[in-house]
Amino acid sequence: EVQLVESGGGLVQPGGSLRLSCAASGFTFSNHWMSWVRQAPGKGLEWVANINRDGSEESYVDSVKGRFTISRDNAKNSLFLQMNSLRAEDTAVYYCARQYYFDHWGQGTLVTVSS
Amino acid sequence: DIVMTQSPDSLAVSLGERATINCKSSQSLLSNSDNKNYLAWLQQKPGQPPKLLIYWASTRESGVPDRFSGSGSGTDFTLTISSLQAEDVAVYYCHQHYGTPLTFGGGTKVEIK
Repeated sequence: EVQLVESGGGLVQPGGSLRLSCAASGFTFSNHWMSWVRQAPGKGLEWVANINRDGSEESYVDSVKGRFTISRDNAKNSLFLQMNSLRAEDTAVYYCARQYYFDHWGQGTLVTVSS
Repeated sequence: DIVMTQSPDSLAVSLGERATINCKSSQSLLSNSDNKNYLAWLQQKPGQPPKLLIYWASTRESGVPDRFSGSGSGTDFTLTISSLQAEDVAVYYCHQHYGTPLTFGGGTKVEIK
């Protein structure tokens, strides 16, 4: 069974940093592109970033470029999102999801940016 | 960026009746290389992560009831629930994975009338 389990969310002050993790199991992690998708409270879905199979190619939505970094460790079946210079508008549930068409999602981890 | 526009924002349908959701993309999602439409439909119930229903515009994901169907090509797509059940109350999103940034429609909330 495919499982994606996010962790690392929490309350952080504006300008602070957090590192999210996603532990994958039940499939060959290194065979799949992976993404982070977020959902602000009561809002729709927003793709944040993705990374290719070997971690050599990354893409980001404009609003997080230069602040967030996606990475992966295929030996540990793990996906990461380093989030720096956090803003109130980054408050959301962050999901990791398997590409291409997001066939599997984690349960999400809540990031709250507030003073 | 490819903009995905869904309509309506919400709809209320009687149990057993048909529900139709539309999604329009700002550019074609049909790939010349493999003749596939890079369009998926997701269902999200309250408090849960999204769930894949349809991919390649019309291919039903394993385990998804056959009352859900997807159609369309190029820039215009439709998700149809042929006979609405109580468990289908959810928000439905279309999503394009043709190019980055990957984008979603704004969502359509389906309720029981």
